[in-house]
Amino acid sequence: NAGVTQTPKFQVLKTGQSMTLQCAQDMNHEYMSWYRQDPGMGLRLIHYSVGAGITDQGEVPNGYNVSRSTTEDFPLRLLSAAPSQTSVYFCASSYSMTGGYTEAFFGQGTRLTVV
Amino acid sequence: KQEVTQIPAALSVPEGENLVLNCSFTDSAIYNLQWFRQDPGKGLTSLLLIQSSQREQTSGRLNASLDKSSGRSTLYIAASQPGDSATYLCAAVDEKLTFGTGTRLTIIP
Repeated sequence: NAGVTQTPKFQVLKTGQSMTLQCAQDMNHEYMSWYRQDPGMGLRLIHYSVGAGITDQGEVPNGYNVSRSTTEDFPLRLLSAAPSQTSVYFCASSYSMTGGYTEAFFGQGTRLTVV
Repeated sequence: KQEVTQIPAALSVPEGENLVLNCSFTDSAIYNLQWFRQDPGKGLTSLLLIQSSQREQTSGRLNASLDKSSGRSTLYIAASQPGDSATYLCAAVDEKLTFGTGTRLTIIP
């Protein structure tokens, strides 16, 4: 099983450029989410989705857009990159179920540098 | 707002020792508590998931416990090995995962 696949693994952007970080899962999970990980800050939730066509904001959504047109894919778009968005980005997925969620699986991350 | 704390931030122990990592959370209305391992420059690997109705889970040398009423979870590692060196993260799961900042574990050969 591929699990959760993120592309690209590394990216350097110039300030003001836009790009899309890709995330795909092959486990038929309803729940998908994006996190950023910064030193001393831990992982913080950017956006999440409980199913195709449904998205919501997390803790740090500013500067990012998401959409969920299929169960498998959950891309994260940076509209106009800023140096403050330099971080490591992780995508995760899990089943939603009555009363909770099952085990969450993470991709290997995208290391983004904005110069 | 859920807040998750992990203490200590870093821990070094000699190989072979048993050790306990701590995780505390402020809101006991969680679905699950999940423990992860992260190696430098890598993604998160799930170690154990404890559902809210459970008290503990075991996998090999790892045992995780959950006490919702006190807002605490512990990860017990038996007979530690150098390969256990990594950062260990816990996450409280309600509508989303809320992470602690992790414990960086070093096992000294």
